[in-house]
Amino acid sequence: RKEVEQDPGPFNVPEGATVAFNCTYSNSASQSFFWYRQDCRKEPKLLMSVYSSGNEDGRFTAQLNRASQYISLLIRDSKLSDSATYLCVVNSGSQGNLIFGKGTKLSVKP
Amino acid sequence: DTEVTQTPKHLVMGMTNKKSLKCEQHMGHRAMYWYKQKAKKPPELMFVYSYEKLSINESVPSRFSPECPNSSLLNLHLHALQPEDSALYLCASSQEFEGFSSAGELFFGEGSRLTVL
Repeated sequence: RKEVEQDPGPFNVPEGATVAFNCTYSNSASQSFFWYRQDCRKEPKLLMSVYSSGNEDGRFTAQLNRASQYISLLIRDSKLSDSATYLCVVNSGSQGNLIFGKGTKLSVKP
Repeated sequence: DTEVTQTPKHLVMGMTNKKSLKCEQHMGHRAMYWYKQKAKKPPELMFVYSYEKLSINESVPSRFSPECPNSSLLNLHLHALQPEDSALYLCASSQEFEGFSSAGELFFGEGSRLTVL
């Protein structure tokens, strides 16, 4: 089982749609969880950290289920500018370095 | 604009060349990283420096040689590379790197796009 797994997509959605991404991780000792966003030919940038209680930032909601080792990202009212690859990132537990999922590509169409 | 600066943005080199990639941050971060990213793949960790000491080397071939001259600078020296080493090399920094509970937000530079002929 890969350390961090994501559905690669692409997810093609119309503007205004709600879209959800899922991610599973294999190391139960992982402590830190993040969603990063990467635009084409650009560097990854932190979108949001994921906390045990779940957290929301505007149109974005992240949730963590430790029992199932599962992280989600919900985007409401999608904008054209949300088009990007969304990377699920988890710390490796033993050494603390961050492991990146392969990313889920989102394309929001007019 | 990113606060992590990488130079050069693009580099083309032959297999016998020696070149270096440079990275600089002035956020007072004590951890710096090199990642390699191939097209349509996630970033792969190469090296981590914490307090100017090499903490992690992810079994990277010796043709890649990292150097951390001070807490703000990180270099990656390249020698005798192969065409398959062509990729985007990303430098990143974070406030701290303390093992198990570490690795908060990573701040990435824009990357150096390397082509090996």
